[in-house]
Formats: sequence, C-alpha cells, structure tokens
Amino acid sequence: GAGVSQTPSNKVTEKGKYVELRCDPISGHTALYWYRQSLGQGPEFLIYFQGTGAADDSGLPNDRFFAVRPEGSVSTLKIQRTERGDSAVYLCASSSLTSDRGLINISYEQYFGPGTRLTVT
Amino acid sequence: KQEVTQIPAALSVPEGENLVLNCSFTDSAIYNLQWFRQDPGKGLTSLLLIQSSQREQTSGRLNASLDKSSGRSTLYIAASQPGDSATYLCAVDDGNNRLAFGKGNQVVVIP
Repeated sequence: GAGVSQTPSNKVTEKGKYVELRCDPISGHTALYWYRQSLGQGPEFLIYFQGTGAADDSGLPNDRFFAVRPEGSVSTLKIQRTERGDSAVYLCASSSLTSDRGLINISYEQYFGPGTRLTVT
Repeated sequence: KQEVTQIPAALSVPEGENLVLNCSFTDSAIYNLQWFRQDPGKGLTSLLLIQSSQREQTSGRLNASLDKSSGRSTLYIAASQPGDSATYLCAVDDGNNRLAFGKGNQVVVIP
C-alpha cells in the first residue's frame, strides 16, 4: 500500500512569511508525528497526534509553530513569521499503536515520509 | 532527558566486510529501539524494531541486538555491499510515543 507522503518536497520562502507543510499518513494509522532534522543531526521530535488531538506538543520550539489534524488523517504543520533558523527538513511519520497481549509493553513502528525541505532566505 | 549517541560518526569499509554500528542511550527505561537507514536527501526507512522485552532482531543480512541494562544496541550488517552506503540512525522510544534519535553513523562501502 501507499506509504506516508509529504507535500511539497521542497519549499523556499522569504523570512517573515507563513508556510504550511502537509502530511498524508498511511491509511488507518491513528498516530501521526512531526519531526525536524537539521543538517548533520538526527531528527528532533516536534508534536504527536493520536486521532484528531495533539497528545504531545512539547517539542514545538515556540508559538510560531502550530499543527492540526482536523479529521484524524491528514495533518498540516504551520509556521508563522518564518526565520532563517527554521530551515531544515520536516519529517512526518505515522504508526498504528498495537499492544502485545499478555505483555505490558506497547510496541509499534513509525513509518516516515520523504520529508519537506524548507529553506528560509 | 534521553540522550542517544552513535559511534563512530562515519566509517568506510571495503566491500564484503561486516559492519558494526554502535548506539548507546542514557535512560534504560525504554519501550523499544528502532534502526533506520537514510539516503542523502531522502526520508527514513525503517530497518529493524526491537521491543524492550527482546534481545535481538534479524532481517536478512541485518541483525540488531539490545542490552537495556547497559544502554546499548548494535547493528550488524553482514557481507557489506556498496548499496549499503547510507546513514544509519538509531532511535529510542521511552514510552512517551516520541523517538529520540542519535546523529547517525555515516557508512561508505568501497567497491
């Protein structure tokens, strides 16, 4: 089946502008995640959705960043008043939470999209 | 806060040699550990997921081990091929439904 898709693949914007990045998760996956990866670094967590609600937004760097998932499927990451420091690859992932019967652990695999490379000039 | 370290940051090996990539994490209370592959300019491809109750996982030429008590995981790639050249990322889930990543091991397999 189709994997996680993200649009656009590349976005160049001027400092101070508003941008929206879109993520289409794998069909049926209830959990959706946004990460940000700067050059030479591993991805850093931004926000996690379970269904329509943001279960954990502790990774958002400041109030210029906001994300929504109104129908529990597609998500949009919104960045206001962009700064040059926002330049990075924004990665989206989805997963289907499962639990091992009889075990206390919940284990799942996150599947990542190709990312959106954002460049703020 | 969980800290994930991957050593070495970069390595080159001749084709056919086995690859050994190391990952360490500071908090042993993890739910699972996942290894990813990332090609230049691309997203992440999941390779293996090890649950906290497991000690290893295998897929083809790949084998990943997990030692929770010492905070370590090792990814072995047998009989390396030029197509294995990529960055390999280790990520830990501490039960909060978010992954903490290392910076990666950048691998070059020389034909």
